[in-house]
Amino acid sequence: QKEVEQNSGPLSVPEGAIASLNCTYSDRGSQSFFWYRQYSGKSPELIMFIYSNGDKEDGRFTAQLNKASQYVSLLIRDSQPSDSATYLCAVISGGSYIPTFGRGTSLIVHP
Amino acid sequence: KAGVTQTPRYLIKTRGQQVTLSCSPISGHRSVSWYQQTPGQGLQFLFEYFSETQRNKGNFPGRFSGRQFSNSRSEMNVSTLELGDSALYLCASSGTGDEKLFFGSGTQLSVL
Repeated sequence: QKEVEQNSGPLSVPEGAIASLNCTYSDRGSQSFFWYRQYSGKSPELIMFIYSNGDKEDGRFTAQLNKASQYVSLLIRDSQPSDSATYLCAVISGGSYIPTFGRGTSLIVHP
Repeated sequence: KAGVTQTPRYLIKTRGQQVTLSCSPISGHRSVSWYQQTPGQGLQFLFEYFSETQRNKGNFPGRFSGRQFSNSRSEMNVSTLELGDSALYLCASSGTGDEKLFFGSGTQLSVL
């Protein structure tokens, strides 16, 4: 059973702070890692993906991957109230292209 | 480029009835996946279709079925509805060889 674990939160951070969202996965053969953002009442939207160990930056977002420790994280710099949403971690194992989703972490950015 | 379109947006049904949901993928996308989302279970994979063939299937009972047409549009059917089927049903499309999913707005199904 492939599992993807996330702290459900809510994670509350002040505006302008760095929000750190974490995700661990059980399958060592996992090769592709994604972060989706889901606003309340809306559908998930892809915001970041990473395939190799290390950091990947895109604007205020940084994805970090550590395959040895089986975790992937998402950092949001200069957090804004508009970043308040649920962030879903998704992992694809080698030989598959169907992602397993975590249950998501709720992020609240307060002014 | 139009996004993924799902219809209807909301549905209210009673136990025992059946329901059909529709999904039109992004133009050029041949893979369509269906997910069920509930507060308790999160996003659960139902099945995936590619070029009119079911390529992958999740752990859902046979009451849940789907199909894909030659224009890549897909339908999902749930027969003999149960209260526990109340959920947001999401359709996602992806390009050939691409693992990134693009979701539709979903169909919120309520079973009374």
